[in-house]
Amino acid sequence: QVKLLQSGAALVKPGASVKMSCKASGYTFTDYWVNWVKQSHGKSLEWIGEIFPNSGATKFNENFKGRATLTVDKSPSTAFMELSRLTSEDSAIYYCTRRDYYGSYIDFWGQGVMVTVSS
Amino acid sequence: DIVLTQSPALAVSLGQRATISCRASQSVSTSSYNFMNWYQQKPGQQPKLLIYESSNLASSLPARFSGSGSGTDFTLTINPVQADDIATYYCQQTRELPRTFGGGTKLELK
Repeated sequence: QVKLLQSGAALVKPGASVKMSCKASGYTFTDYWVNWVKQSHGKSLEWIGEIFPNSGATKFNENFKGRATLTVDKSPSTAFMELSRLTSEDSAIYYCTRRDYYGSYIDFWGQGVMVTVSS
Repeated sequence: DIVLTQSPALAVSLGQRATISCRASQSVSTSSYNFMNWYQQKPGQQPKLLIYESSNLASSLPARFSGSGSGTDFTLTINPVQADDIATYYCQQTRELPRTFGGGTKLELK
């Protein structure tokens, strides 16, 4: 079955960067866009951007452009997101997700990574 | 950006119908598709897809969940509500980038 296994929680200092991973299994990794979604504590969801593993093509929310970097390693089917110049506003849970093959909706979600930005 | 507006909370009794609405700041439909999706999130868990493209039920989900709407007004219906349905429900539009989510509606028991 489809699984998206994300890396563990991170505690980072303001101004630093964080890089998180998402290992996909149960499907052909290169055929599906990987989307990243942010959820601040107790709040709603915010789409960060997406990457197509086969080509490396990316699309971003303007709110994260220039600070979020999306990459993949086709073997072993792992997507990465690096977020730079962190502030307390970046403290949140970050989800790696899979976009459906034909549609634009998210059909599977990883378990999430909690990032805490604190000195 | 397209803004999606949801009521923050809805109180419902078990066995009754729950109707959760989502209004978009501009149309998220084309002549062929309605680009509105619904997700359920329980405390401490990741969201889960319920309904895609306005009215299509995600696989393995019970028919108690249904969706409808087009243009700017969409509805998620749960009928009848069961205890396991107590969660927060989010709408999401995928008509335009950035893909945006509503603020969520927390379903509570009366």
